[in-house]
Amino acid sequence: EDKVVQSPLSLVVHEGDTVTLNCSYEVTNFRSLLWYKQEKKAPTFLFMLTSSGIEKKSGRLSSILDKKELSSILNITATQSGDSAIYLCAVNAGGTSYGKLTFGQGTILTVHP
Amino acid sequence: DGGITQSPKYLFRKEGQNVTLSCEQNLNHDAMYWYRQDPGQGLRLIYYSQIVNDFQKGDIAEGYSVSREKKESFPLTVTSAQKNPTAFYLCASSRGGGSYQPQHFGDGTRLSIL
Repeated sequence: EDKVVQSPLSLVVHEGDTVTLNCSYEVTNFRSLLWYKQEKKAPTFLFMLTSSGIEKKSGRLSSILDKKELSSILNITATQSGDSAIYLCAVNAGGTSYGKLTFGQGTILTVHP
Repeated sequence: DGGITQSPKYLFRKEGQNVTLSCEQNLNHDAMYWYRQDPGQGLRLIYYSQIVNDFQKGDIAEGYSVSREKKESFPLTVTSAQKNPTAFYLCASSRGGGSYQPQHFGDGTRLSIL
């Protein structure tokens, strides 16, 4: 059974801090790993990492895939109150799981002014 | 604007009642998905469809049913057989059902028991 675990489950920081969120996975036929940000309603897509694209960056957010360690990190620098959200990690596997996403539990990030 | 529309935003179900959640997309995406989100848990896949008139069970399909008669629409019915239906339901779509297409989500429907 495919499994995705995120840590920590929750995190409280102050504006300006840098945070690192972790995601580890155990899946057969790994294809891609995705990060989403969920504020109140719809998760919004942040990054997709694959074997051919193991590092992504957008503004203050960056993510790295470590295929050897079967894990990924999401870094947020100079955090702002608008970064407060649930961050979801999901893995897409091939084989009989073709097209399906398996999600981790999410990390709840709270950024205080 | 292209997007995914879920309705209603809030829904209440009585004992023994079936309810249907709507999901419509105008992104011309082939694949559509239904997830359930419970507090403190990630999203769990209920059903998915990679093409019109075809769909597969996800990890927690019991007590739910779907149809995919049109490319744009993928309604989910929560039947009376689903004994714990209170949750946040999210619909998603992607360009194809492949492993390299990100899924995009609607704003969700919150279902509660009366």
